[in-house]
Amino acid sequence: DAGVIQSPRHEVTEMGQEVTLRCKPISGHDYLFWYRQTMMRGLELLIYFNNNVPIDDSGMPEDRFSAKMPNASFSTLKIQPSEPRDSAVYFCASSRGTQSAEAFFGQGTRLTVV
Amino acid sequence: SQQGEEDPQALSIQEGENATMNCSYKTSINNLQWYRQNSGRGLVHLILIRSNEREKHSGRLRVTLDTSKKSSSLLITASRAADTASYFCATVYSYNTDKLIFGTGTRLQVFP
Repeated sequence: DAGVIQSPRHEVTEMGQEVTLRCKPISGHDYLFWYRQTMMRGLELLIYFNNNVPIDDSGMPEDRFSAKMPNASFSTLKIQPSEPRDSAVYFCASSRGTQSAEAFFGQGTRLTVV
Repeated sequence: SQQGEEDPQALSIQEGENATMNCSYKTSINNLQWYRQNSGRGLVHLILIRSNEREKHSGRLRVTLDTSKKSSSLLITASRAADTASYFCATVYSYNTDKLIFGTGTRLQVFP
C-alpha cells in the first residue's frame, strides 16, 4: 500500500477563495482523522470519521470549515472562504481504530493564504 | 484542546547519549502512543503502551507509563544524529472514543 495520500502538497491561495484538501486513506482502515498543525497551537484534531461517518467535529474551528467522506477511499476538507489565519499544515491520518492500533499519517498539505 | 504537555520543549544532546522526554496528560486513558516527526514530514508511529502496561521496549526505545501520575516517558538510548526530530505523545481517552489527541512535542537535536 502507498500509505495515506494527500493532495496537493502545497497550496497558496488568496484570502476569500475556496480551498479543498484531499485525502486517500490506507485501504482497510475504517477511521480517518484531519489535523491542523501550527507553531502556535501545535497539532489540533479537527474532525474524525468512522466508516465514512463523522464522529466528532468539535475541533472544526468555524463554519467556514467542512469535511466530507463520500466513500471509504476519499475524504475532503474544505475551507470557504479562506483567511490568512488558516495558514497551516493540514494532515490526514487513517487507522484501524486507535483503541488498539496506531494512526498512519500522510505527508500533509501546506496551506498559505495571502 | 491538547491533552498532553511535553517536557522539555527542546533537547540538545551529543551522539551516543541517552535522550529522555516526558509527557503528562489530564484524563484517564485507554492507551498512550509516541510519534516522531521529521521536519516538514508527516508523523510516524513509534510505540503504543496500554493503560494496564507499565513499560514497553522497541529497539532503542523504552517507554514507561505511570497512570497514577498521568505521565509517560520516552527514552532513546545511544542516540544518533538521525534521531533528530520532534517527538509527540498522543492519548486515547479511556471511554468509548478513538479520538487521538497530541501533546505539544519535544524537539530533539542530536549533534554528531
